[in-house]
Amino acid sequence: NAGVMQNPRHLVRRRGQEARLRCSPMKGHSHVYWYRQLPEEGLKFMVYLQKENIIDESGMPKERFSAEFPKEGPSILRIQQVVRGDSAAYFCASSPVGMAGANVLTFGAGSRLTVL
Amino acid sequence: QKEVEQNSGPLSVPEGAIASLNCTYSDRGSQSFFWYRQYSGKSPELIMSIYSNGDKEDGRFTAQLNKASQYVSLLIRDSQPSDSATYLCAVKRDEDSSYKLIFGSGTRLLVRP
Repeated sequence: NAGVMQNPRHLVRRRGQEARLRCSPMKGHSHVYWYRQLPEEGLKFMVYLQKENIIDESGMPKERFSAEFPKEGPSILRIQQVVRGDSAAYFCASSPVGMAGANVLTFGAGSRLTVL
Repeated sequence: QKEVEQNSGPLSVPEGAIASLNCTYSDRGSQSFFWYRQYSGKSPELIMSIYSNGDKEDGRFTAQLNKASQYVSLLIRDSQPSDSATYLCAVKRDEDSSYKLIFGSGTRLLVRP
């Protein structure tokens, strides 16, 4: 029973390029959450999605960042025109159908983005 | 001031000792508190949750909450080298949705054999 799968685990981009991070939730989970961890800081909530719906994007930066969770396939966090300040670990979590509380979040191992 | 503060460590304890990890939070409206363990390069894993003042025990782990002092701690008894990891404190504020956690930056624990 695979857990939350994130890829790539490590991604290097030059300033101005695009970064795409993918997250496949655990089997049976239909809710996906993205968190970002900047160096020396805690994880910060970015966005909560269900299939084909963004439920809460209150933690997403207003520009350059977008997220989707299509009917088929993984959730994708997209960062356009990356800047050095985007360098961070991006964690995805998922939870079962109908359950969104912290007690039922399962985290992936994260994708580490480095912007040169 | 950070919303959730933790000493980054490392906290070094000998095997068999009690490790005490501390966390303070700034929002008095916080109602739920969580401790996660994160091994290097791995995913955060929930180990304890606590909602009311006092102690909550689960095996070798005890979470302690003092809302008046805005303080939550995690005690690990009989520490083992396998407990060496970063421990993240997370808080849910009263007004936030259940999935929206505020994390501290973590304390690195090192248990010496």
